[in-house]
This record gives sequence, structure tokens and C-alpha cells, in this order.
Amino acid sequence: GAGVSQSPSNKVTEKGKDVELRCDPISGHTALYWYRQSLGQGLEFLIYFQGNSAPDKSGLPSDRFSAERTGGSVSTLTIQRTQQEDSAVYLCASSSARQWDTEAFFGQGTRLTVV
Amino acid sequence: GNSVTQMEGPVTLSEEAFLTINCTYTATGYPSLFWYVQYPGEGLQLLLKATKADDKGSNKGFEATYRKETTSFHLEKGSVQVSDSAVYFCALSKISNYQLIWGAGTKLIIKP
Repeated sequence: GAGVSQSPSNKVTEKGKDVELRCDPISGHTALYWYRQSLGQGLEFLIYFQGNSAPDKSGLPSDRFSAERTGGSVSTLTIQRTQQEDSAVYLCASSSARQWDTEAFFGQGTRLTVV
Repeated sequence: GNSVTQMEGPVTLSEEAFLTINCTYTATGYPSLFWYVQYPGEGLQLLLKATKADDKGSNKGFEATYRKETTSFHLEKGSVQVSDSAVYFCALSKISNYQLIWGAGTKLIIKP
């Protein structure tokens, strides 16, 4: 696609429910990131996928968080048993991750509200 | 390891003032360096970048020079406008796997 697409744009869920957030990166981009941003604060790194390499999961805050990237394209971030502190904007970005071109392109984000 | 340190905000300036937002980094080798901007209510977007030492990135009146000797990439603008109010993020790209490492962001407030 023309840009990074995230869905849904907004999600309100009840505490304890599971949610899935989707990211469709720019076609051909091998690198994909998930970040969390709370109240216009900084970017909290969650996970990084790069080609066929093992993903860097070092930013996932707990075992309730997991992410997959199927076929090297679409990615899903799953949050199980949501808590109120999970409320934030979840951002996805992709990059071609070549030595001469490592710029990341961001989606508009999914605003998650846990009530 | 790789890291990026930005000056803390918020930075509050009057219109037409000179802007500097400091960014220093720690990295192995020669990473690419970036400034991203997030305007209120909008997504993150690339402002400028530099890929090697002494390169100068520029866009929308903003400039930043890749200084290897001081491991810095400070963002500057000669005369800021109210419309420049935003959060600015400095980042580097690890040369091992091109993963982006981010600074904490600096909120800039420009008063008319």
C-alpha cells in the first residue's frame, strides 16, 4: 500500500478482555516496529521484526503482550487480559532497512482505551 | 550499546527566536541519524536525516549536522514559528540490523 495502515484506529475494551491490533506495512519493507505512546509522551519500544531474523522482543512489558508477523508482511499485536495501564496509542512503523535507507514510516496508530 | 539522549522539554520560545534542540548519541560505527516530528494530533514523520559524518540534513528551515567528533546531531532553526510547535524526536539506526533507537522526545512550544 501507499503507507503504513493500522486498524482499528480506535478500540475501547473492557478490563480483562483480549485485543488484537493490526499493522499492514508498506509493501516490500522488511523491518516492522511496534511502539506504545502514552499521552503524547515518548516512544516506548515494544518489538522489532527484521526479515527472517528472530524478532527483538526486549520491549514487551509483560507476557500478556505478544506479536506475530505472518509471511513477512502483516503484523498483529495481541494484548491478553487487558489492564487500564495498557491504555495508550499503539504505533506501527516499517522500513526497508537497507544500509542506505533506514527511514521508518509510521502509521496513524491505534488508540486503545481499557475501561 | 546504542543510545540517544535529547534535551528535556518542554522548550518554550517566542516566535522568531533561534532554536537549538540538543541530541547526542552513543553508537558503534557510523549510524544514520534522524530527526522526526510529531505535530499535535498527527502521526510521526521524518523531518530530516544524515547518513554520514559531516552531512547536513535540512528541511522546512530546520538543519542538523552529523558531528562524529562530538557524537551529536543538534537540531537548529533560525526563526521559529507558532506552527513549529510539536514534539521532536532524535533517532539513530543501528548498523548491525538497522533498528531505530530513539531519544525521549522534546516538546517545543512557540508563543506568538
